Formats: sequence, C-alpha cells, structure tokens
Amino acid sequence: SQQGEEDPQALSIQEGENATMNCSYKTSINNLQWYRQNSGRGLVHLILIRSNEREKHSGRLRVTLDTSKKSSSLLITASRAADTASYFCATDAGYNQGGKLIFGQGTELSVKP
Amino acid sequence: GAGVSQSPSNKVTEKGKDVELRCDPISGHTALYWYRQSLGQGLEFLIYFQGNSAPDKSGLPSDRFSAERTGGSVSTLTIQRTQQEDSAVYLCASSSQQGQPQHFGDGTRLSIL
Repeated sequence: SQQGEEDPQALSIQEGENATMNCSYKTSINNLQWYRQNSGRGLVHLILIRSNEREKHSGRLRVTLDTSKKSSSLLITASRAADTASYFCATDAGYNQGGKLIFGQGTELSVKP
Repeated sequence: GAGVSQSPSNKVTEKGKDVELRCDPISGHTALYWYRQSLGQGLEFLIYFQGNSAPDKSGLPSDRFSAERTGGSVSTLTIQRTQQEDSAVYLCASSSQQGQPQHFGDGTRLSIL
C-alpha cells in the first residue's frame, strides 16, 4: 500500500490536555498536509508544511516534519470537546504526481468535557 | 455556495445498476480530485483533473469506473454494473492549483444492495 501510517489509531483525552498524533510515510514528498474529518462530513484542511520546513504553527496547532525519518507530528494544545474528530495526514508527492494526496489511516481523537 | 457541492448525499442501489455521482467544485479552481473512503481501505485516490490536461486515471480500481469534467467545472463519476465492494463514501475535492490545500465536499455515501 502507498498509504502512510498514523499512530495512535485512537486517542482519548480530557479537555485542556494536549493531543499528539504521529504520521509516517514512504515516498519523497513536496509537502505534507493535515486534515480533520467530523463524522459524516468531508475533510477540512488544517495545515500544510513544505518539505523544506521543519515546524509550522497555526493557532493551537503545531506540526513538525522530519524528512530524514519520513515522519510528521500534529500537536493540538489545550484541547476542547469540539476538537473531537478524525485527523489524517496526507502527502503530496509533487508536480509530476499532479498534487494527488496519499492519506494515512487516520487517528480518532475523542476529547471528553 | 462557496464550498464544494456533491450530489446525491446518499445513494442506495441494487447490484448491477449504473450510478452517477456529481461534484460541483469551487468556482475558479482548476484542479479537481475524486477519492473513495471505505472502512477497509481508508482514503484512496481515484482520478484527477487539471485544466484542459488529460486526467490522471491511475487510481481507478477497474474499467467500470469513469469520470469526466465538462467545461472545466462540474465533474461526474460513473460506476457501471455496480458491485457490493463499490459501497463507500465518494469524496470530491478541488484546489486553486496542484500543490495547494484541497477543499472537500461532504461526499456521496453509496450503498450497493
């Protein structure tokens, strides 16, 4: 399979705690993206990190990328019940792949109030 | 609307019937993608359209699947002679250009009886 792997598959935390999700991938990339999916809905783009970047922040989100290890992590700080969703990493292999995304299996995050 | 629109939201049909799924991308987005999301396979790329270029059909699982994009806007995904393994959520996404974040519709949930 071309898909990457995410861990953990499921994560349950209390409101206010931090949540960390990890993603590993197999091929060289142009960028890596994180998406969120609420039950029964489409995916919502959260953050994009390019292959020459190591860390990126957006609000309560922090993403790191280690291209030597082909891995990325997503940290959500001060989690809220509304953060409950599935989170997917996706790799973009670059121009000659047309920008199609290869998705990980996802992490189901449950934030308890 | 401002987002990607897909129809129908749900489709139930008998094995062997043909189905057509529709995607209306964000106005002005030149790139359009179809993905399939199922329990066993996760999120899989199906096909990609970019402007007037020939589509990338490398993800289509069989010759029963086809897609077209008319006038660089609306796209239809057609599945002929449906099989039970075609049951899944079919997601459409568009982006301003390849390598940019993708905007997803809420998908069509297809159930084959």
